[in-house]
Amino acid sequence: ELKVEQNPLFLSMQEGKNYTIYCNYSTTSDRLYWYRQDPGKSLESLFVLLSNGAVKQEGRLMASLDTKARLSTLHITAAVHDLSATYFCAVDPSGAGSYQLTFGKGTKLSVIP
Amino acid sequence: EAGVAQSPRYKIIEKRQSVAFWCNPISGHATLYWYQQILGQGPKLLIQFQNNGVVDDSQLPKDRFSAERLKGVDSTLKIQPAKLEDSAVYLCASSLARGREKLFFGSGTQLSVL
Repeated sequence: ELKVEQNPLFLSMQEGKNYTIYCNYSTTSDRLYWYRQDPGKSLESLFVLLSNGAVKQEGRLMASLDTKARLSTLHITAAVHDLSATYFCAVDPSGAGSYQLTFGKGTKLSVIP
Repeated sequence: EAGVAQSPRYKIIEKRQSVAFWCNPISGHATLYWYQQILGQGPKLLIQFQNNGVVDDSQLPKDRFSAERLKGVDSTLKIQPAKLEDSAVYLCASSLARGREKLFFGSGTQLSVL
């Protein structure tokens, strides 16, 4: 059974600080996705990482994928309050782009002014 | 561009009752998914359709859950009879092609089983 583990599960950080969220998974996969979820809202796609060494950046968020280590990171640079949300990583174990995703439990990020 | 539409937004029922959720995917999206998100957890895939055919329903509790996608567009997910542990948000998602485009999620139906 595929396991996807995120840490930390809860993160409180001050504005302007940097931090990294980690996503480990237990089976071979070269497809990893990051989503954002605001309270009471649905999931918004942030990044799609499709190969070993893939790095994608948008604004203050940067995601990377190391398929050999089965690890993805989501790095937050100079956090602002608007980044407060829950962040999920998800893995497609089929490797065929089927979107039969297994999600982590999520990291709830609170950015404090 | 219109997003994935779901209804109802909220539903409260008693255990052993039946309930149905409706989803209208983004126009032209061939692939449709139903996910279940229990409070404090990540979404869990229940069923995937490609057009009107089922691709994967291995995690769907078939003794009580059923889903259909008529004419390859709208989809309904039904629970009969509901159990307390079915309380969750049911998310519908769609994609243009398998894995090549982003997966778009609807706002979900929040189900409370009392």
